[in-house]
Amino acid sequence: ELKVEQNPLFLSMQEGKNYTIYCNYSTTSDRLYWYRQDPGKSLESLFVLLSNGAVKQEGRLMASLDTKARLSTLHITAAVHDLSATYFCAVRLEGTYKYIFGTGTRLKVLA
Amino acid sequence: DSGVTQTPKHLITATGQRVTLRCSPRSGDLSVYWYQQSLDQGLQFLIQYYNGEERAKGNILERFSAQQFPDLHSELNLSSLELGDSALYFCASSPGSGWNTEAFFGQGTRLTVV
Repeated sequence: ELKVEQNPLFLSMQEGKNYTIYCNYSTTSDRLYWYRQDPGKSLESLFVLLSNGAVKQEGRLMASLDTKARLSTLHITAAVHDLSATYFCAVRLEGTYKYIFGTGTRLKVLA
Repeated sequence: DSGVTQTPKHLITATGQRVTLRCSPRSGDLSVYWYQQSLDQGLQFLIQYYNGEERAKGNILERFSAQQFPDLHSELNLSSLELGDSALYFCASSPGSGWNTEAFFGQGTRLTVV
């Protein structure tokens, strides 16, 4: 069974600070996705990482994938209040069409 | 707007009842995925259809069923509802049978069972 764990579950940080969210998964997978969800809203795609060593950046967010370590990171640079949301990673169970979401990290950026 | 349409947005019903949630995928997308989001279980994968056929099954209860129609819209049927079925149900769509790019999520249907 594929388990996808994120840490931390909750993160409160000051504006302007840097931090990293971690996504660990338990079995082999070659694809990883990061989504953002605002309270009561839908999920918005942030990054798609399709190979080992993939790194993608958009604004203050940067995501990377290490398939050997079964680890992805979402790095936040110089956080701003607008980044407050819940961030999910999702992993494809290899050989299937099942996409399993992590536990989510609720981020609150304090002014 | 992701292009994925879910109806209704909100649904309140009593225990023991049956409801149907509807999803229209983005134009041209052949795959539909259903997820259940609750506070205690997080985002749980329920089921996936590709071009009318079931392709993957997750933690979907026997009381729940789904189908995808020839026009590619999908319905999730929930029966013998229990209080614990109260959740936000999301539908997502993708062009192919998998997420080669990403899947696009609808706004969700919030189901409250009383």
